[in-house]
Amino acid sequence: KQEVTQIPAALSVPEGENLVLNCSFTDSAIYNLQWFRQDPGKGLTSLLLIQSSQREQTSGRLNASLDKSSGRSTLYIAASQPGDSATYLCAVYPDSWGKLQFGAGTQVVVTP
Amino acid sequence: NAGVTQTPKFQVLKTGQSMTLQCAQDMNHNSMYWYRQDPGMGLRLIYYSASEGTTDKGEVPNGYNVSRLNKREFSLRLESAAPSQTSVYFCASSEGAVGYTFGSGTRLTVV
Repeated sequence: KQEVTQIPAALSVPEGENLVLNCSFTDSAIYNLQWFRQDPGKGLTSLLLIQSSQREQTSGRLNASLDKSSGRSTLYIAASQPGDSATYLCAVYPDSWGKLQFGAGTQVVVTP
Repeated sequence: NAGVTQTPKFQVLKTGQSMTLQCAQDMNHNSMYWYRQDPGMGLRLIYYSASEGTTDKGEVPNGYNVSRLNKREFSLRLESAAPSQTSVYFCASSEGAVGYTFGSGTRLTVV
């Protein structure tokens, strides 16, 4: 059974510091991996989707890498801002049908 | 705005009561999903519908039923609510593994 783990569960950084969020999964036979952001009391917003043939994906200050063989993905957020404060979740696609298996998330606080 | 709409946003039920959570999407997606989110456990899939007319169980289907009413609407029913079903419920839609969009959630408390 696929297990998705995100460590740490929470972290706090000063504004301007780079953020590094980790996601690991036990079964390397995944289709895609996706990173989401969740603000308190809100739904999830898609950040980056890494397709099975890709090793990384970038959007603005965000960069996500994927190493299927080692069962790891890392989300980098450059020059963090207080507006980056949220919970970040990674999710793996076991197949092409869109069912997701989520990690528990990393709660990030960026202090001014 | 295009997206996924869930109703209601909040609900309190007594043990044994029933209710239906409604979800509608206007992105013409084929696939729709119901997840629940509990503290420290991430989101877990309850049921999904790969296309209109089909539904399948996810990881935690016990105590729930679903109906894919048409391509736009996918409802989740609790027939006899239990305190263990206290959670935040999210509906989502996608086109396969692309374009995943979540609703804003329903916060359900069963007392």
